[in-house]
Amino acid sequence: AQTVTQSQPEMSVQEAETVTLSCTYDTSENNYYLFWYKQPPSRQMILVIRQEAYKQQNATENRFSVNFQKAAKSFSLKISDSQLGDTAMYFCAFMKLGMDSSYKLIFGSGTRLLVRP
Amino acid sequence: KAGVTQTPRYLIKTRGQQVTLSCSPISGHRSVSWYQQTPGQGLQFLFEYFSETQRNKGNFPGRFSGRQFSNSRSEMNVSTLELGDSALYLCASRVKGQGLRTEAFFGQGTRLTVV
Repeated sequence: AQTVTQSQPEMSVQEAETVTLSCTYDTSENNYYLFWYKQPPSRQMILVIRQEAYKQQNATENRFSVNFQKAAKSFSLKISDSQLGDTAMYFCAFMKLGMDSSYKLIFGSGTRLLVRP
Repeated sequence: KAGVTQTPRYLIKTRGQQVTLSCSPISGHRSVSWYQQTPGQGLQFLFEYFSETQRNKGNFPGRFSGRQFSNSRSEMNVSTLELGDSALYLCASRVKGQGLRTEAFFGQGTRLTVV
């Protein structure tokens, strides 16, 4: 069974600075997807960034980038130029598409990020 | 384009009762999945439906059930409610397919409180 571990329950960063959130996962699969989701106080889960395991290049979305280390099974999220609106709970998630394209996300326990003004 | 809509947003039920939650996916999305979020257990997968068929099911007791209608709207039902069923229930929809269309869009959830 796959597991996702986020070892940092809470983190804090000064506005405009850079912060890195950690995520490790365990799987015997070779093809899978990894995601970072953000959950602000409104509770809606918002996709921040995704990475296909077969791609060696790290994904980047504006101020958000990942460091994907497949052999180490590590998938960290770097937020540059942190903004107050980045304050939220961040979840790392793993997904392997089933043979019938069934879709099941396995989430980590989350990291609460506070951006200080 | 309207997002994923979950109703109701808040619900209070008594132990032993049953409850039905509703999820309307984004137009054109045919896959709907449900997740339970609690402080103790985190986010856990309940089940996924596609074309009115359950494709995948998480490790939950039979009191948790769901269905999907021909218009892709989905409902989940919890019978004989227990205090531990108090949670935020999230619904996500997606376009079936591989590659870039694997993204799931989430609703704002239904907050269920069992007293």
